[in-house]
Amino acid sequence: DGGITQSPKYLFRKEGQNVTLSCEQNLNHDAMYWYRQDPGQGLRLIYYSQIVNDFQKGDIAEGYSVSREKKESFPLTVTSAQKNPTAFYLCASSRQRYGANVLTFGAGSRLTVL
Amino acid sequence: KQEVTQIPAALSVPEGENLVLNCSFTDSAIYNLQWFRQDPGKGLTSLLLIQSSQREQTSGRLNASLDKSSGRSTLYIAASQPGDSATYLCAVRPGGSGGGADGLTFGKGTHLIIQP
Repeated sequence: DGGITQSPKYLFRKEGQNVTLSCEQNLNHDAMYWYRQDPGQGLRLIYYSQIVNDFQKGDIAEGYSVSREKKESFPLTVTSAQKNPTAFYLCASSRQRYGANVLTFGAGSRLTVL
Repeated sequence: KQEVTQIPAALSVPEGENLVLNCSFTDSAIYNLQWFRQDPGKGLTSLLLIQSSQREQTSGRLNASLDKSSGRSTLYIAASQPGDSATYLCAVRPGGSGGGADGLTFGKGTHLIIQP
């Protein structure tokens, strides 16, 4: 079945450590996105990529980094510069950035900073 | 800046009732509006997508309407079931040349509980 796989599902990090969240899709989608979700809040866009080797900052990119070396993969690194990294992280993809595209989401990764 | 509001924030109803979830947005220049379902600790599942030129979309017991001029959308759930219990989010995508999916603005969601 086609879909988006995020790993790990749960991750614990000590302050000062960088961690990388994996996102893989087999939908052949060009565009991929990373969102952050905090309790009682709407989703906020961290980074997005519309094509391999290209990515753009979203609304809350500070303290995060991404890469897009392959079409199917869009990993997110939460760096030590991110002041409040504890959150639920969601990866999504769409066929293209533009057009009448439905957004497809992964199951999420919950990061907790100890 | 686009703002999306969902009312109510939480709703609890007995099984079998028909119910309406509301989504309002401040900027009517939208490309489309999407309704999602989110189960606890899980990702979002797309339910319905309404283009700006459409008035409604239906899928099974779900019907979503869009009144772009007044900045409102409703999600109607018929004959509710305990399995419908989840958080429902709406997301608005801007129109115009900046109408990429990266520009989605999400509401905070309505937490729905269907009592058996």
